[in-house]
Amino acid sequence: QKEVEQNSGPLSVPEGAIASLNCTYSDRVSQSFFWYRQYSGKSPELIMSIYSNGDKEDGRFTAQLNKASQYVSLLIRDSQPSDSATYLCAGSGGGADGLTFGKGTHLIIQP
Amino acid sequence: DTGVSQDPRHKITKRGQNVTFRCDPISEHNRLYWYRQTLGQGPEFLTYFQNEAQLEKSRLLSDRFSAERPKGSFSTLEIQRTEQGDSAMYLCASSLERARSTDTQYFGPGTRLTVL
Repeated sequence: QKEVEQNSGPLSVPEGAIASLNCTYSDRVSQSFFWYRQYSGKSPELIMSIYSNGDKEDGRFTAQLNKASQYVSLLIRDSQPSDSATYLCAGSGGGADGLTFGKGTHLIIQP
Repeated sequence: DTGVSQDPRHKITKRGQNVTFRCDPISEHNRLYWYRQTLGQGPEFLTYFQNEAQLEKSRLLSDRFSAERPKGSFSTLEIQRTEQGDSAMYLCASSLERARSTDTQYFGPGTRLTVL
């Protein structure tokens, strides 16, 4: 199993709907998780971090972590065309570890 | 701008040449990371500094790669005898050490390297 896995997509969602992005991970990167958004040709931009089981909400974004299932997800409510980008899931073994990224999911919001 | 900065933003070089990239972290951040990203992949960790000390290096960092962070401020990444396989986006990130949880890393704009 790769350490962080994501479906590369593309995932197509109508404008205004909820986009659901998923990520699974291995034991080595099981401490902390981050979601980054990356527009084509640009660098990753932090959206959210999550460390504990459960949900964490920030505006239109909700991160969910289930350590028993080794699963982390990102929900985007009221999707906008500007949300179209690649979403990178990253995990860490803790402390100052370099992050381990998935390949990213390409999200397309259809107007 | 108080974010992470990188220079140059683009570099085109011929195979066999040496290149050097610079990263200036967010001013109060004591940790600095280098990553490499190729098309269709997520960033891959290369190396990490805490202040001026290089504490971790990935197996991806071959002998042709060297990184420094003199005085714990800016960092440089040098690639010697470049190869076409070195073509990638080189990303720098910085973070502030946190006692009980993983640092949040903030990325710079990246340096895109093309080796001809």
